[in-house]
Amino acid sequence: DIQMTQSPSTLSASVGDRVTITCRASQSITSWLAWYQQKPGKAPKLLIYKASSLESGVPSRFSGSGSQTEFTLTISSLQPDDFATYYCQQYNTYPLTFGGGTKVEIK
Amino acid sequence: QVQLQESGPGLVKPSETLSLTCTVSGGSVTSYYWNWIRQPPGKGLEWIGYMYHSGSGNYNPSLRNRVTISVDTSKNQFSLMLSSVTAADTAVYYCARGNALDMWGQGTMVTVSS
Repeated sequence: DIQMTQSPSTLSASVGDRVTITCRASQSITSWLAWYQQKPGKAPKLLIYKASSLESGVPSRFSGSGSQTEFTLTISSLQPDDFATYYCQQYNTYPLTFGGGTKVEIK
Repeated sequence: QVQLQESGPGLVKPSETLSLTCTVSGGSVTSYYWNWIRQPPGKGLEWIGYMYHSGSGNYNPSLRNRVTISVDTSKNQFSLMLSSVTAADTAVYYCARGNALDMWGQGTMVTVSS
């Protein structure tokens, strides 16, 4: 299985901050990476697919970059609605695997 | 707008079989791959497996000997069966579409307990 490692596991930030979350794959996944946002009691929501493509309806303050084994999710200016847990997921190889999550908290 | 809705028992006894159904509305199950994912309380996401309407699919090796996913095109539904459950199978179970999982059901909590 491809292991996905996210860092940090928790991030404290303020509204307006620029936030970056990192995801590393244990082997190359080219660009087959997705990012999700999950709020308590809710299903995950797709933000980014194919490493850098913004899902329809997702605010442009979210962006993704990277390839092979190193990926980042950036929120350019953190908004109150963005406090949530974020997961990366590879879909290069089965089984599909997720990172452990990054919880973005209010500082 | 495509919507997914999970349904099934919220309580299953140890050693029995967990059965859940995902109903797809606003779209056809003959398109896309259809997945099941689960999330134990307070923990991360685990992919269980996917099935295509043709019968091709893939399961997580960690669950392969206990899981079956099937697609019913006549009802526009797909289903999950997980046998010989234990407390470790207690989780919120989600159905979702695709490989980049662009549509999710709201999730259903399943507790394994006697």
